[in-house]
Parts: sequence; structure tokens; C-alpha cells
Amino acid sequence: SQQGEEDPQALSIQEGENATMNCSYKTSINNLQWYRQNSGRGLVHLILIRSNEREKHSGRLRVTLDTSKKSSSLLITASRAADTASYFCALKTSYDKVIFGPGTSLSVIP
Amino acid sequence: GAVVSQHPSRVICKSGTSVKIECRSLDFQATTMFWYRQFPKQSLMLMATSNEGSKATYEQGVEKDKFLINHASLTLSTLTVTSAHPEDSSFYICSARGLRGSYEQYFGPGTRLTVT
Repeated sequence: SQQGEEDPQALSIQEGENATMNCSYKTSINNLQWYRQNSGRGLVHLILIRSNEREKHSGRLRVTLDTSKKSSSLLITASRAADTASYFCALKTSYDKVIFGPGTSLSVIP
Repeated sequence: GAVVSQHPSRVICKSGTSVKIECRSLDFQATTMFWYRQFPKQSLMLMATSNEGSKATYEQGVEKDKFLINHASLTLSTLTVTSAHPEDSSFYICSARGLRGSYEQYFGPGTRLTVT
């Protein structure tokens, strides 16, 4: 399958802790993006990392990409209750499609 | 930034009727639009890709006669769910891609379809 696979499927942490989510994939990619989705709502684009990049930062977010291992991680530092949401990695493949991973459901407990 | 809208945001229809969902790119020309569906607590599944002025390309397992896609202009694509059944109830999300931006694909807010 070209889909990304994410782990963990669900993650529950205390406010202030860091949250790490991983995405592994099988196909070649042009870029990898991370999105957030609050329950019943649309997608919010978080960050894009290109295949020739290894790490990107945006605020409390840090994304890494290891193309040799075909994996990416999303780190949210100093988590807040408002970070509670589902997080998806999305792969831009050479076929010009964006394919989503199954997602990680993050709960941040105040 | 680029904006993609969807209309309606929510729709309830009776079994057997057809429902049309619109996807518009508001401030850019979308050469390609994508349609996804998302069941509760699941990920987004790509249904089809449409290029302006040509027929849509459907993913394996998606019935093209049931999910009619029209991309008649560079700012509008429509998805029509024909003869809807309760199992078609889902969250439908479109995305549009133009030739601008640091990332190329912009997602709409989604349409929640409930078939009774």
C-alpha cells in the first residue's frame, strides 16, 4: 500500500509534556506533510517537509524526515489541551497524489 | 493564503436521492482537484482526481457512476452522490491544486453528508 502508517494510533499525555508521532511509508515521496484535524472539522495544514530536507521547525512543532528509513516524526513540545486532535501524515507521491496515513489521536490532559 | 470552499457544509438527504457538493478555489486557479471521503475515526481516502476539462480518474474500488465528478472550470469541481444510501454517509473533503504556494494542495473544510 502507498499509505503511510502512523504510530501510535492513540496517545494520551499530560499538558506540558512533549508528544511524538511517527509516520512510516513504503513508496517514494516528493514531500511529506502533517495535518491536524479537530473532531468533525476540516484539516489544518501544519508543516511540509520536502524529500531533500531532514528537519523543519515551526513554533512548537518539529518534523524530521529520514528517507533512507522511509519515516517521519512530528514532535509537539510543551503540549497544551488545545493540541488535542487527530494528526495525519500525508505523502505526496511521484504519481502526484496526496495519500494520508491512518492518523494518531492525541489527547492532552489539562 | 489560498482558500478552498465547499458547499454545503452539512447536508441530510433521503435514501435514493442525489446530492451535489461543490468545491471552489477562491483566489487561485485549480488545475487539479481531489476528492476524499472520511468515515468516523478513520483517515481520508482518496476517491478521485479531476483535471479541468477532462474526465476524473477514480481510485480502485470507487464507483464512477455513483460518484459523479465534474471539473468544468478552473475554480469549480462538483461531486454528485447519486442514489445515495445510508452507507454513503461520510465526510467528503476536496482539495485543489494550482501553480502557487510553498505547498501545492489546499483543502476545503469538508461536507458532512448524512443519508437517512
